[in-house]
Amino acid sequence: GAGVSQTPSNKVTEKGKYVELRCDPISGHTALYWYRQSLGQGPEFLIYFQGTGAADDSGLPNDRFFAVRPEGSVSTLKIQRTERGDSAVYLCASSLKVSGQGNYGYTFGSGTRLTVV
Amino acid sequence: SQKIEQNSEALNIQEGKTATLTCNYTNYSPAYLQWYRQDPGRGPVFLLLIRENEKEKRKERLKVTFDTTLKQSLFHITASQPADSATYLCAYQTGANNLFFGTGTRLTVIP
Repeated sequence: GAGVSQTPSNKVTEKGKYVELRCDPISGHTALYWYRQSLGQGPEFLIYFQGTGAADDSGLPNDRFFAVRPEGSVSTLKIQRTERGDSAVYLCASSLKVSGQGNYGYTFGSGTRLTVV
Repeated sequence: SQKIEQNSEALNIQEGKTATLTCNYTNYSPAYLQWYRQDPGRGPVFLLLIRENEKEKRKERLKVTFDTTLKQSLFHITASQPADSATYLCAYQTGANNLFFGTGTRLTVIP
């Protein structure tokens, strides 16, 4: 597609439920990133994929969070047993190369606003 | 621990003036810095990348500088317009390909 697509744009869920957030990156972008942004803060790194594999998952806050990218394109961020503190905007980004090679930045989607009630 | 600070949470400026935003970092020596623009309800949009061996980079009305001695990057918007009103984020990449963002500066250009 023309940009990074994230669905749903909004998700309200009850505490303790399981949620899946989807990211469809720009076609051909091998690198894919998930970030979380709370109000008034900058995006906070969660996980980075190069192709199908998670190259760096050091930002995942705990084992309730998991992400996959089975075919090297679409990625799903999965959150188990959601807590109110998980409420935030979850951003996905993709890039053609590792950022810094050339003058590439990341292309972000508009995010999924997750609210846990 | 690594830290990246943007000089102010909010900056108001008169239309036509030059806006200058500051980004300071500590406990790390990044090879390059990036600047993004973020509008409400949207994801950040990449603007400029500057390397440690580049003192200055320009793109239309935008100019970025990178001073590795001061550990600081300055972001300038010349001839500012109300449409430039947004939050501007600076970020650097840590060794593992993840961008580390500042909290952003919300710029308002007053007509």
